Amino acid sequence: KQEVTQIPAALSVPEGENLVLNCSFTDSAIYNLQWFRQDHGKGLTSLLLIQSSQREQTSGRLNASLDKSSGRSTLYIAASQPGDSATYLCAVISLLWAGSYQLTFGKGTKLSVIP
Amino acid sequence: KAGVTQTPRYLIKTRGQQVTLSCSPISGHRSVSWYQQTPGQGLQFLFEYFSETQRNKGNFPGRFSGRQFSNSRSEMNVSTLELGDSALYLCASSKTAGNTIYFGEGSWLTVV
Repeated sequence: KQEVTQIPAALSVPEGENLVLNCSFTDSAIYNLQWFRQDHGKGLTSLLLIQSSQREQTSGRLNASLDKSSGRSTLYIAASQPGDSATYLCAVISLLWAGSYQLTFGKGTKLSVIP
Repeated sequence: KAGVTQTPRYLIKTRGQQVTLSCSPISGHRSVSWYQQTPGQGLQFLFEYFSETQRNKGNFPGRFSGRQFSNSRSEMNVSTLELGDSALYLCASSKTAGNTIYFGEGSWLTVV
């Protein structure tokens, strides 16, 4: 059974700092991995999708890496801003039978960027 | 283009009642999945539908059911509500497993 762990559970940084969020998973036979952010009381917003054949993806100030063999992914946020304050969730995507798939989520990292 | 739309956004029900939640996926997306989010358990997979067929179901009791229509819209139903069913229910859609998965804003269910 796939288990996903995110460390740290909470993080508080001053504005402008670069930071790294960590995600680890127990079963390396993943299909893809996707990072999301969730603002308080809201749905999930997709940030980056990394396919299993890729090592990293970039979008603006965000960079996500994937190391399947070690069961790890990191989300790097450059020059953090107060608007980045949210909970960041890592989801491992497993491919099942007949094209079906399932996301297994970590518990998230709650990020606070202090102005 | 329009995102994933979930209705209703907020609802309060009494123990023992039933509830139906609706999800309209992004146009062209045929896969719809549902997740329950609670503070204690985090996000847990409920079920996934593709072309009106349930392809996968999570570890939830039979009180939780769903369906998908020919236009890819999906509904989930919870019967005989319990206090522990209070949660944010999230719907997600994608073209296939290899594509980005998009979530709706969710339906907040409170059972009293």
